[in-house]
Amino acid sequence: GNSVTQMEGPVTLSEEAFLTINCTYTATGYPSLFWYVQYPGEGLQLLLKATKADDKGSNKGFEATYRKETTSFHLEKGSVQVSDSAVYFCALNRNTGNQFYFGTGTSLTVIP
Amino acid sequence: EAGVTQFPSHSVIEKGQTVTLRCDPISGHDNLYWYRRVMGKEIKFLLHFVKESKQDESGMPNNRFLAERTGGTYSTLKVQPAELEDSGVYFCASSQARAEGYTFGSGTRLTVV
Repeated sequence: GNSVTQMEGPVTLSEEAFLTINCTYTATGYPSLFWYVQYPGEGLQLLLKATKADDKGSNKGFEATYRKETTSFHLEKGSVQVSDSAVYFCALNRNTGNQFYFGTGTSLTVIP
Repeated sequence: EAGVTQFPSHSVIEKGQTVTLRCDPISGHDNLYWYRRVMGKEIKFLLHFVKESKQDESGMPNNRFLAERTGGTYSTLKVQPAELEDSGVYFCASSQARAEGYTFGSGTRLTVV
């Protein structure tokens, strides 16, 4: 089946610290991979995506590389800011239908 | 362009009552989706409309949930009667056709007491 497993939270970091949120997936075929972010009081927003193996998605200083050999799509940022505090969801879409499969979400709090 | 609008943003109801959630998709988006996040768990797919037709309702948990999309515009999700385990955040999303065009609403937080 299709599923996403991501690092449990909550995660608390100091400003300017390095962030990694692990995400691994199980899927039939060749899915596209996504990171969504939910800021407090807002909806889910697409943060970045990758559609094939070895692609790197990037946005707002965040990066994730689609690793087919390890079935992973870990999210990284070199220097987090207080404004990055949010819940981050890893997700996949098989491209044969429009359904997303999400992970459980990782809550990130960045303290000054 | 207006985004996906959901209301109410919060709803607290007693077990056994009925609640109706509404989603207004982006104008012109034929695809409309409902998802649910139960506390601390993953966001799970409920169903998918293409215009007014149910394309996939494989994620609907049971027959206490009824989704409609009259005229292919807004959609409602009714829970009747509500149970404690129905508590969670219900998200709606819309798209034209491709996964990367998905836009989510801010969700409705449902609490059943």
